[in-house]
Amino acid sequence: GEDVEQSLFLSVREGDSSVINCTYTDSSSTYLYWYKQEPGAGLQLLTYIFSNMDMKQDQRLTVLLNKKDKHLSLRIADTQTGDSAIYFCAEGKGKLIFGQGTTLQVKP
Amino acid sequence: DAGVIQSPRHEVTEMGQEVTLRCKPISGHNSLFWYRQTMMRGLELLIYFNNNVPIDDSGMPEDRFSAKMPNASFSTLKIQPSEPRDSAVYFCASRGQGDRPSYEQYFGPGTRLTVT
Repeated sequence: GEDVEQSLFLSVREGDSSVINCTYTDSSSTYLYWYKQEPGAGLQLLTYIFSNMDMKQDQRLTVLLNKKDKHLSLRIADTQTGDSAIYFCAEGKGKLIFGQGTTLQVKP
Repeated sequence: DAGVIQSPRHEVTEMGQEVTLRCKPISGHNSLFWYRQTMMRGLELLIYFNNNVPIDDSGMPEDRFSAKMPNASFSTLKIQPSEPRDSAVYFCASRGQGDRPSYEQYFGPGTRLTVT
């Protein structure tokens, strides 16, 4: 069945770039998503990429998609303490399959 | 728009008691999802509805769990009887109609359930 895998934890210093990686198995997904969960809150859609794109940039966020390797990454430039959260990648339509989430810790 | 509304935000109950979690989706959304999040198991999809009809309930743990959506603006998730292993944060999410990715799931703030 479909599966989405992420590393569980990433620690960076404020001002550095963060790269969160994800692999998925379902090659038929039209869109792939990144969600952000701040402490005590629900998940919030952060960005998405169409499956026929290689890259999408949105301010400090860059999403890279390698469809051949089924690899998705989220790069956060100039990481701030406010970026500390859990980041989930997801694929599908309607019923999304979520990864386990990557906890991003930003040290001042 | 107020977003997805869940109540209560926190619930503490004793083992064996019935628990009812409530969700009001975003107006106009036609899909509703119930998730459970724990440290051990991460985010699990329990059930989802499309146009008030349950489409996939394969994630519902066992018969103690039931979910209803009597109309487009309200859904409940009931646990009877509750057990300590049901302790988790339960999220409701809703999705707009159509194919645009921006319609994808909007999550509520969650209900933190503790069963003692």
